[in-house]
Amino acid sequence: GENVEQHPSTLSVQEGDSAVIKCTYSDSASNYFPWYKQELGKRPQLIIDIRSNVGEKKDQRIAVTLNKTAKHFSLHITETQPEDSAVYFCAAPENTGNQFYFGTGTSLTVIP
Amino acid sequence: NAGVTQTPKFQVLKTGQSMTLQCAQDMNHEYMSWYRQDPGMGLRLIHYSVGAGITDQGEVPNGYNVSRSTTEDFPLRLLSAAPSQTSVYFCASSYGTENTEAFFGQGTRLTVV
Repeated sequence: GENVEQHPSTLSVQEGDSAVIKCTYSDSASNYFPWYKQELGKRPQLIIDIRSNVGEKKDQRIAVTLNKTAKHFSLHITETQPEDSAVYFCAAPENTGNQFYFGTGTSLTVIP
Repeated sequence: NAGVTQTPKFQVLKTGQSMTLQCAQDMNHEYMSWYRQDPGMGLRLIHYSVGAGITDQGEVPNGYNVSRSTTEDFPLRLLSAAPSQTSVYFCASSYGTENTEAFFGQGTRLTVV
């Protein structure tokens, strides 16, 4: 099956700074890479995703980059705000697309 | 649309008891799944279904059963609860089986004593 590794497990940044979270995956057939945000006590929600035919995707302060050769993808948050504080999960599908494997999560704290 | 609805939100069980976690979605999604979330371990797939009448095992299926008699409902059964099943459980659904956004329920916090 797919193996997804996520780093770092915790990240603290000053408000206004950038945050970067990285994930690697093992199944070279994977072609869809979503990122989910989970606020304390809430459900995970999709914030951005990228497909394998694209190297980068941006949505306002959030961007995701994908390097298929190296099998890693990253989440970039610029101009961080306190409301960005949450746990972020990356995910990748195994080759049939029927099972998603999640990273272990990154707890981001934005210090005002 | 209510989205994905899970019940109950909280549950305490004694070791050996059985129970069913309910999950329903009103978005006509074919794909539904159950995850458990434990500290430091992310979300791990328990069972999933690609349509009514079809279920399959995920990463951590032992001790759990599922069924999918309708498109809307996907209950998760704990046959004989064990303390190792103490966790937060999330049900999710998506339009298709491949490469689409998963919509999660609000979660069930289960404690087995």
